[in-house]
Amino acid sequence: KAGVTQTPRYLIKTRGQQVTLSCSPISGHRSVSWYQQTPGQGLQFLFEYFSETQRNKGNFPGRFSGRQFSNSRSEMNVSTLELGDSALYLCASSGSGDTGELFFGEGSRLTVL
Amino acid sequence: GEDVEQSLFLSVREGDSSVINCTYTDSSSTYLYWYKQEPGAGLQLLTYIFSNMDMKQDQRLTVLLNKKDKHLSLRIADTQTGDSAIYFCAESPNDYKLSFGAGTTVTVRA
Repeated sequence: KAGVTQTPRYLIKTRGQQVTLSCSPISGHRSVSWYQQTPGQGLQFLFEYFSETQRNKGNFPGRFSGRQFSNSRSEMNVSTLELGDSALYLCASSGSGDTGELFFGEGSRLTVL
Repeated sequence: GEDVEQSLFLSVREGDSSVINCTYTDSSSTYLYWYKQEPGAGLQLLTYIFSNMDMKQDQRLTVLLNKKDKHLSLRIADTQTGDSAIYFCAESPNDYKLSFGAGTTVTVRA
């Protein structure tokens, strides 16, 4: 079956703009998580959604937001972009198994100029 | 992830064994994981171990868990050039997220 799909794969924005990233989880998976990966900070947890409800949120400013739709697809939005928001944004989905395994997409690489 | 620590770099000769070490802090983690990331790609789960196990072997991979010391290791036998990647250790504090280490960059030299 198809893996986690993230769009767009690459994008370039300027400071002050906003961006929306999309994630389609593996079919049947209802949990979607987002992580930010940067060389300096590593992998930082952004938020997790299950059945359209945010169950946990990381320590990011309010400029970072997300949502999940009834078909489990998820989007995250970053408003008023800053240079430091340049990163690889990874989406992961998880099924109903009890191992907690996350299946990652290939990421959306955001560059803020 | 500040709660999970791992060394940053490992260089190994092709055919030798690689050992990547990790320490974690949350003793409530039910599972501990090893992920692999190749250049330009997302993370791929390599293996995981249940917290009540001491060891798990999966083909060339051996995971050792010392729960008392909160120490996890991944051994890759007969390391190949295709094993060159970044390896992440992760714990699951049971709050719907994983906490990752900074990643160990493994370089396999001929």
